[in-house]
Amino acid sequence: QVHLQESGPGLVKPSETLSLTCDVSGHSITSGSYWGWIRQPPGKGLEWIGTVYHSGNTYYNPSLKSRVSISVDTSKNQFSLHLNPVTAADTAMYYCARTHGDFRPDWYFDLWGRGTQVTVSS
Amino acid sequence: DIQMTQSPSTLSAFVGDRVTITCRASQTISTWLAWYQQKPGKAPKLLIYKASTLESGVPPRFSGSGTGTEFTLTISSLQPDDFATYYCQHYYTYSWAFGQGTKVEIK
Repeated sequence: QVHLQESGPGLVKPSETLSLTCDVSGHSITSGSYWGWIRQPPGKGLEWIGTVYHSGNTYYNPSLKSRVSISVDTSKNQFSLHLNPVTAADTAMYYCARTHGDFRPDWYFDLWGRGTQVTVSS
Repeated sequence: DIQMTQSPSTLSAFVGDRVTITCRASQTISTWLAWYQQKPGKAPKLLIYKASTLESGVPPRFSGSGTGTEFTLTISSLQPDDFATYYCQHYYTYSWAFGQGTKVEIK
């Protein structure tokens, strides 16, 4: 069974770097999917942050592009999110997710992690 | 960027009602659209992809339609388990974006 699990600090100070990792189990990160990060501020909607392919190709939300970096570690079967610098507006539940496949008809997110809450506060 | 706009933002309905949610894209996205259901404290769950294809295991009372810039999600007979927030999301070119969500409440 395929499983995605987010991990990382739950509290980050303003102006510092938010770093999260998504561990993928039951599915090789190199086989036929894109991998994405999505966040949801408290009481608000979903916001796509960015997506990575196992080749290292990345695609970012233009509104976050200057602060975001997403990378993949195929040896550990995981991918990571870095956001810098952060402000209180980056407080949110952060989800990692998998696309169904790597052809455009399959670029919808069919599997999500449970999410990890990150609070930005001094 | 392609912007997604959903309406209404909130919808109040009775169990058994037929419910329709609309999603509009700021430019054509063909049928590269998905719908998700989210309940409080849970991750979103895929309902429909490619505008009208039902994900495996999703009840047939859910249906999607549309192409180009206008799309709809319909629940034919609202059930107690359907009270949740629904999001549309495009996956056109190498970008993804969500609508702002529609909360379906009990009337």
